[in-house]
Amino acid sequence: EVQLVESGGGLVQPGGSLRLSCAASGFIVINNYMSWVRQAPGKGLEWVSVIHSGDSTYYADSVKGRFTISRHTSKNAVYLQMNSLRPDDTAVYYCARVKNYFDDSGFETNDGFDIWGQGTMVTVSS
Amino acid sequence: QSVLTQPPSMSAAPGQKVTISCSGSSSNIGNNYVSWYQQLPGTAPKLLIYDNNKRPSGIPDRFSGSQSGTSATLGITGLQTGDEADYYCGTWDSSLSAVVFGGGTQLTVL
Repeated sequence: EVQLVESGGGLVQPGGSLRLSCAASGFIVINNYMSWVRQAPGKGLEWVSVIHSGDSTYYADSVKGRFTISRHTSKNAVYLQMNSLRPDDTAVYYCARVKNYFDDSGFETNDGFDIWGQGTMVTVSS
Repeated sequence: QSVLTQPPSMSAAPGQKVTISCSGSSSNIGNNYVSWYQQLPGTAPKLLIYDNNKRPSGIPDRFSGSQSGTSATLGITGLQTGDEADYYCGTWDSSLSAVVFGGGTQLTVL
């Protein structure tokens, strides 16, 4: 079964650090684009970061310089290292796979988050 | 303030049709594929539409997507009470080098 399971969330003080993990099963992480998306309580979805199959990484401006996305080949997992945490980082953090397919022109394309984890809650508060 | 603009809420009766709009710009919807997500209360989002108008396997054809210029639309026909959820559009923004989402539309079926 294709699935993602996040872990590592919890309560942390402002300025602290936390590392989230996302364990994948049913597919190979390094062959896919993988992303983190968060959702603050009662708010909408906010994209956080993506790591491409070719190792390129991108970040939302709100986390750039503080968060780092990475992956582990043998563990088939993706991680999000979060440093200098702020209260506005409080959210449910979802790990998601980007769908890989061939578009109508025959080009290999990566678009849309087709597999999501259940989410892990991060609370930044003193 | 979201980069993509959606109506905050919509409502319709069971069996009716609803269209949810998503407005952007040339740096996002105008030049990149749009995807749509359904989020039922207390659950993770679910992919409904990708590549502007394609449905993943298992998504009923009551759900459809379209894109024109810098706007996209999600259509839902034959509304059911189980369709009550938040709906989000998303796409890549080439200027920001980031994925952007709409603020979400809360759909009520009454």
